[in-house]
Amino acid sequence: GDSVTQMEGPVTLSEEAFLTINCTYTATGYPSLFWYVQYPGEGLQLLLKATKADDKGSNKGFEATYRKETTSFHLEKGSVQVSDSAVYFCALSGYAGNQFYFGTGTSLTVIP
Amino acid sequence: EPEVTQTPSHQVTQMGQEVILRCVPISNHLYFYWYRQILGQKVEFLVSFYNNEISEKSEIFDDQFSVERPDGSNFTLKIRSTKLEDSAMYFCASNGLAGYNEQFFGPGTRLTVL
Repeated sequence: GDSVTQMEGPVTLSEEAFLTINCTYTATGYPSLFWYVQYPGEGLQLLLKATKADDKGSNKGFEATYRKETTSFHLEKGSVQVSDSAVYFCALSGYAGNQFYFGTGTSLTVIP
Repeated sequence: EPEVTQTPSHQVTQMGQEVILRCVPISNHLYFYWYRQILGQKVEFLVSFYNNEISEKSEIFDDQFSVERPDGSNFTLKIRSTKLEDSAMYFCASNGLAGYNEQFFGPGTRLTVL
């Protein structure tokens, strides 16, 4: 079945450091891929998405490229800020109406 | 900007009691979902709902669970007889037909079963 494997955390970085959170997936067909972010005490917010191979999703300085050949969708940011401290979830979905499959989440703490 | 809302934000109940978690999806959306997240674990799919019926459900969604869209705006999840292991954060989500099948999530209801 479809699944997402996400880099284990927690991750602690200094402000302005480079961030990579790895995500790989297994899916039949051609899923859409997502990164969601969960700030402390809040729900899940869409961070970025990509719907087909080689698409790059980007938002708030974060980027991820849909790589079909490596079945990956790694999240990157060149310079993290304290306000980026949150839990990040990689997810996939096959089509509208289909359930989302989430990774385990990676907790990021950015220290000044 | 339209958003999914959920009530209550926190529910505490005794084991064996029934609970109803409420959600108001985005008004023009057609697909509705419930997910749960046990503390420290991944977000797990429970059920999806379309055209007034369940379209998909997971193994977690057993006979103790039910969903309903009673009035065209609310979407509810009922747990008939809560167990300790039902303690989790429950998220409602919705999406429409068009677009990138992105799901919009509510802020969640934290359910604590004592």
